[in-house]
This record gives sequence, C-alpha cells and structure tokens, in this order.
Amino acid sequence: QVQLQESGPGLVKPSDTLSLTCTVSGDSLDTYYWAWIRQSPGERPQWIAHIYYSGRTTFNPSLQSRVTISADRSRNQISLRLKSVTAADTATYFCARTNRYNFYNYYMDVWGRGTAVTVSS
Amino acid sequence: DIQMTQSPSSLSASLGDRVTISCRSSQNIGNFLNWYQFKPGRAPKLLIAIATALQTGVPSRFSGSGSGADFTLTINGLQPEDFATYYCQHSYSVPFPFGGGTKVEI
Repeated sequence: QVQLQESGPGLVKPSDTLSLTCTVSGDSLDTYYWAWIRQSPGERPQWIAHIYYSGRTTFNPSLQSRVTISADRSRNQISLRLKSVTAADTATYFCARTNRYNFYNYYMDVWGRGTAVTVSS
Repeated sequence: DIQMTQSPSSLSASLGDRVTISCRSSQNIGNFLNWYQFKPGRAPKLLIAIATALQTGVPSRFSGSGSGADFTLTINGLQPEDFATYYCQHSYSVPFPFGGGTKVEI
C-alpha cells in the first residue's frame, strides 16, 4: 500500500525559503508523476507543480518563478522549495502521486495527509 | 486559464439522501475532470477520475457524469462518512485548477 508523508518546518519567516519533503513508501517513484498541492485556510486547493520520475517538471505559472521541485529516487523522496515566502504562502501542503490516462489526462490518486506551514516573523 | 465553478458551495442533507454536486468549466475540457473528497486532518481521496471512472475502493454510491463543460458528482444514499468537502479539478491544461468546493453537512 502506497503511503506519502510530508514533512517540513511548520513555521517560516517572511522572505525565507520554504523546504518540504515527501517520503514515499510502498512504491517506487518510477513511472509516476509526483505533485505538490497546497490549501490555504478557507481557500480551494491550488496545484503547485509536478515532476516525472525521470525529472521532467511542470509548474503552476503563478508560482513558477519561486518554486523548485526535485525527485530523489535513491531515497524515494520528492522535495519542494518555495523561495521568498510571504503570509500568502501560509497553507497546508500536500504531496500526491499523479497517474495519467492516455498520456495527458492526469489524476492524483494517492495523497499524503499534508503538512501545515505558517509564514510569520 | 480555464475556471472551475462548483455549486452549491454547501448543502445540508440527511443520511440516505441523494446528493448531486455540479461542476462547470469555462471551456470544453472533454473528460479531463476529477473529483476529490477532503476531510480535515485526513489525506484527500480521489473518488472519480476522467469524469466517470470510479476509483478502486470507493463505494459504488459515488458516481460521476458529464463531459465537455458540465459535470456532476452524485452520492446515492448518503452515509455518515460522506460528510466532507468535495472538489472538482480539471487536468486539461496547467494550472490544473480546483473548483471552489462543496461542503456536505448534516
């Protein structure tokens, strides 16, 4: 059974860089995409980016300039870095395995419980 | 960007009720539409992928329909564990946005 566990600092200061890790157990990273999604309080979820196991990436254009996503196949981990954070980046951050149908019809079929991040001085 | 609009934003229902949630996209997205269930503190759950494909392990009381720009999630016979917030999301083009959500309450 595939399980995803997000981890992160909990509290980040404004203008700092947020670093998050998603550890995948029960499956390898191979053949899937792996996504980060966030949800700020009272808001709809927002897709941030995904990465293919081979390293190919796709980003939300509104966040692309601040986001780095990477995959470590030896550790079975996906990482997210978000630089220059502000209070607007306060959210619960989720990672999710992304499957696809007919190459481009993506769906996120396994999720972690998320990790809460607060941006505050 | 293609926008996703869900209705209603919330609804009150009783056990055993039939519930329908609507999701509309601002453009034709074919069948590039997924439905998720969110509960506080829990891992979100994919219910329906590709507009109509019920996921393994999801009870058959859940069903998805529609194509193009109009989609529906139906719950036939609401159960206690179904009280949650439901989101549609399209995967037709980046940034794969979610709808505004429908909170199903008792």
